[in-house]
Amino acid sequence: NAGVTQTPKFQVLKTGQSMTLQCAQDMNHEYMSWYRQDPGMGLRLIHYSVGAGITDQGEVPNGYNVSRSTTEDFPLRLLSAAPSQTSVYFCASSWGIGEKLFFGSGTQLSVL
Amino acid sequence: DAKTTQPTSMDCAEGRAANLPCNHSTISGNEYVYWYRQIHSQGPQYIIHGLKNNETNEMASLIITEDRKSSTLILPHATLRDTAVYYCIVRGRARNSGYALNFGKGTSLLVTP
Repeated sequence: NAGVTQTPKFQVLKTGQSMTLQCAQDMNHEYMSWYRQDPGMGLRLIHYSVGAGITDQGEVPNGYNVSRSTTEDFPLRLLSAAPSQTSVYFCASSWGIGEKLFFGSGTQLSVL
Repeated sequence: DAKTTQPTSMDCAEGRAANLPCNHSTISGNEYVYWYRQIHSQGPQYIIHGLKNNETNEMASLIITEDRKSSTLILPHATLRDTAVYYCIVRGRARNSGYALNFGKGTSLLVTP
C-alpha cells in the first residue's frame, strides 16, 4: 500500500499565485486533514474532513480552501499565496477520531 | 485536551533503553495518551497509545502511572534511526473531543553511537 501520498514535495510560489497541494490515501480512511508545521510552532491543523462531501476548519484555516469529492482525495488550495504561508504542509488520514494518524511525507512550500 | 509537559531534549546511547517521560497531571478519565515521533523532515509517525494499562507493540512500550498523571515511552534498544522528536499527546476519542492533535514541541531524542 502507498499509504498517504502528497504532491509536490517542493514548491516555490510568488506572492499572489494560487496552487493546489494534492493528497491521496488508499486506506479507505474516512478522516483526512491538513497540518502546517513552522519552526518552533509544532503542527497546526488547517482543515479536516470526516468523509466525502464534509469538511471543517481547524485552527489556522485563513487563506486555504479544501474540498472532499472522493474518499481518497483531499486537496488543499492556496487562493492567493502570501509569505506567511511559507511552511511545511502535511496531510494525514485515519479511520476516525482518536485512531492513529497516517501522515504523508510533506510538501515544503516557499512563498517569495 | 489535557496539557502535556516533556523535556526539551534527551540523549541515549545506542543499544540502551530510551525512557521518555511525559507529565499530564490534568488528564481526564476518558482521555488517552498517544505518542508520535517525527524523524527530521519526515511526516510524524504513530508509535503507541493507551488509556490506563501498560501497552507494548513492536516499536515501544508505554507505561502509564496508576493515577494516570504521567507516562513513560520506552524504546527498549535504541538505534541511531530512533533519533527524532517524540510527541506525547493526550486527547479523548469522542466526537466532542475535536479533531486537532496538540503536538506541542516534544522531546528531541539524540541516540549516540
